[in-house]
Amino acid sequence: NAGVTQTPKFQVLKTGQSMTLQCAQDMNHEYMSWYRQDPGMGLRLIHYSVGAGITDQGEVPNGYNVSRSTTEDFPLRLLSAAPSQTSVYFCASSSTTAPNSPLHFGNGTRLTVT
Amino acid sequence: DAKTTQPNSMESNEEEPVHLPCNHSTISGTDYIHWYRQLPSQGPEYVIHGLTSNVNNRMASLAIAEDRKSSTLILHRATLRDAAVYYCIPYLMKTSYDKVIFGPGTSLSVIP
Repeated sequence: NAGVTQTPKFQVLKTGQSMTLQCAQDMNHEYMSWYRQDPGMGLRLIHYSVGAGITDQGEVPNGYNVSRSTTEDFPLRLLSAAPSQTSVYFCASSSTTAPNSPLHFGNGTRLTVT
Repeated sequence: DAKTTQPNSMESNEEEPVHLPCNHSTISGTDYIHWYRQLPSQGPEYVIHGLTSNVNNRMASLAIAEDRKSSTLILHRATLRDAAVYYCIPYLMKTSYDKVIFGPGTSLSVIP
């Protein structure tokens, strides 16, 4: 069972560069989301999607774009990387948006912006 | 939105039970209480959830106070692999970003 797969595991970018963090799930989950985790800040929600073609902003969406063209994939795009985007990024999914539906997380992408 | 209070850190001896408390005094009647844990260098992992009744699964037990303002995650015999940050999350919906909030959690250390 692959679950939630994130690529790459590590990435170093220069300020101003763009890149896409990939997230794929093989569980046919309806809901997918992106979090960033910074020391002492817990996890903060960036964007989420409740189904293919539907996305919405979370708590910290600035500097990030998302799209959801298929149920399986939910890529996160950094259009012009900034040092403030240095963080660990986690993708999560759940079968539905129901409150008793647990989140399944990937193992993260560690991004450094110099 | 329900807010939580958890101890910053706890210690346990290996093979002893661990009780991890969480206060969520502003929880609403339909908020499920979820617990996740995060091992070093990994993503959070679902542990257990419940609404009103106590719950058991292969990983842990969840004891929910009668007034639902607090809950306790119980690890029956701590192992070294249980050393992690434990998050208590009361939430209703995932369609509003402020409903699923991962706070700092409790960092559990297990002493051999």
